[in-house]
Amino acid sequence: AQKITQTQPGMFVQEKEAVTLDCTYDTSDPSYGLFWYKQPSSGEMIFLIYQGSYDQQNATEGRYSLNFQKARKSANLVISASQLGDSAMYFCALVSGGSNYKLTFGKGTLLTVNP
Amino acid sequence: EPEVTQTPSHQVTQMGQEVILRCVPISNHLYFYWYRQILGQKVEFLVSFYNNEISEKSEIFDDQFSVERPDGSNFTLKIRSTKLEDSAMYFCATFRWDRGYEQYFGPGTRLTVT
Repeated sequence: AQKITQTQPGMFVQEKEAVTLDCTYDTSDPSYGLFWYKQPSSGEMIFLIYQGSYDQQNATEGRYSLNFQKARKSANLVISASQLGDSAMYFCALVSGGSNYKLTFGKGTLLTVNP
Repeated sequence: EPEVTQTPSHQVTQMGQEVILRCVPISNHLYFYWYRQILGQKVEFLVSFYNNEISEKSEIFDDQFSVERPDGSNFTLKIRSTKLEDSAMYFCATFRWDRGYEQYFGPGTRLTVT
C-alpha cells in the first residue's frame, strides 16, 4: 500500500522568506515518483515539481526545490523567496508503476504568505 | 502546450439525477484517471482507464459510477443516481508512461448535489 503523510495542516511565512513543507511517504515499489501540486482557492491543481526515485540530484524548478532524502522517505518542498501569490494549498503525491500509475495524495498543507 | 479540458466547470443537480462529466485528454496520452476531492479534503483516486477498459477502481467507485471513452477523444464519468455526498470537485488526469510519471490534470468540474 502507498501512503503520503503531510503533518503540517497550516504554515505561515513572511513574504520573501523561504519555507519548507514536509512530506513523508511509504511504498514498497523500488521505482516511484513524488510530486508537489499547488491548489489555489480557484481549485485547479497546478504541477510544481517532480522527483524520480532514481534521480541522483534533487529536483529544482525556479523557486521550488525538492529536498529528497530517500533513506528517510521524505520529499520536502522548499519555496524560496515566498510571494503573496504562493498562498494556497500544497499537496504531495506519490506514484509508482505497481500502483497502476495512480497518484496517492497527502492531506495537504495550507500555506499563508504574510506581507 | 497541450492541456486536459473538462466540461462543465460547474454542475448543479438534484439528488437522484444522473450526471455526466466530460474530459478531453491530451492526444497520445494512454492512461486516464478520475479523481475526486470533497471540499476541504485530500484528492482521492476513483478509477484508472487504459486500453479502453478500467485498469483499477477504488472502493469509492461503486455501481453508481461508470466511465467510458465513447468516441476516442472524450473520456466521461457518469454518476447514475447522485447522492448529496457526491458533491465534490472531480478531476480528470492523463499521462504517457514513456514521458515520466507526471500526470496532467484538467481544471476540474465542481459538482453540487442538492
